[in-house]
Amino acid sequence: GAGVSQSPSNKVTEKGKDVELRCDPISGHTALYWYRQSLGQGLEFLIYFQGNSAPDKSGLPSDRFSAERTGGSVSTLTIQRTQQEDSAVYLCASSPLGGDTEAFFGQGTRLTVV
Amino acid sequence: GIQVEQSPPDLILQEGANSTLRCNFSDSVNNLQWFHQNPWGQLINLFYIPSGTKQNGRLSATTVATERYSLLYISSSQTTDSGVYFCAVQTGNQFYFGTGTSLTVIP
Repeated sequence: GAGVSQSPSNKVTEKGKDVELRCDPISGHTALYWYRQSLGQGLEFLIYFQGNSAPDKSGLPSDRFSAERTGGSVSTLTIQRTQQEDSAVYLCASSPLGGDTEAFFGQGTRLTVV
Repeated sequence: GIQVEQSPPDLILQEGANSTLRCNFSDSVNNLQWFHQNPWGQLINLFYIPSGTKQNGRLSATTVATERYSLLYISSSQTTDSGVYFCAVQTGNQFYFGTGTSLTVIP
């Protein structure tokens, strides 16, 4: 597609369940980022991919969070044993090369843990 | 990490008015972008502007990298300009976002 695509758009899950969030970056973009935005909060960095490698995972808040990227394209963010504080909008972005190049964001996945 | 401060935090304008939003950052960066977050939460790219001046219609932006600030100008504001404007700077592998300026344009 022409832009960054994320799915699902909305996800409601019960506390304790696992969820998977998907990001399809712009074709040919090697850099991919995950961020989250909690209600009334700023944007918080989670993880950065260059190709299939994640040289920067420093923003993942706990070991319940993991992410992978396959084929230098699609990325999946997995949250295990979800907690209410995981409720947020999860945003994915991609850019052609990483630093020094313009990044584009998807529409986000709104996760609600009940 | 880098500190990014945006001002003002909130702004209410009459339709047709002009405004200037400011972004200060605490260290050298290799990328700076301005975004508009629409009511559905999506971040829309406005400018990729690590330095210099750019214009796009009623919007323009200037970044003075040596003095570590960027300005976003909105002229002849319209109600559709309402929303939150974010400045994001990049160094290394991360973008660092400011806390945004919430703009409300009233008819």
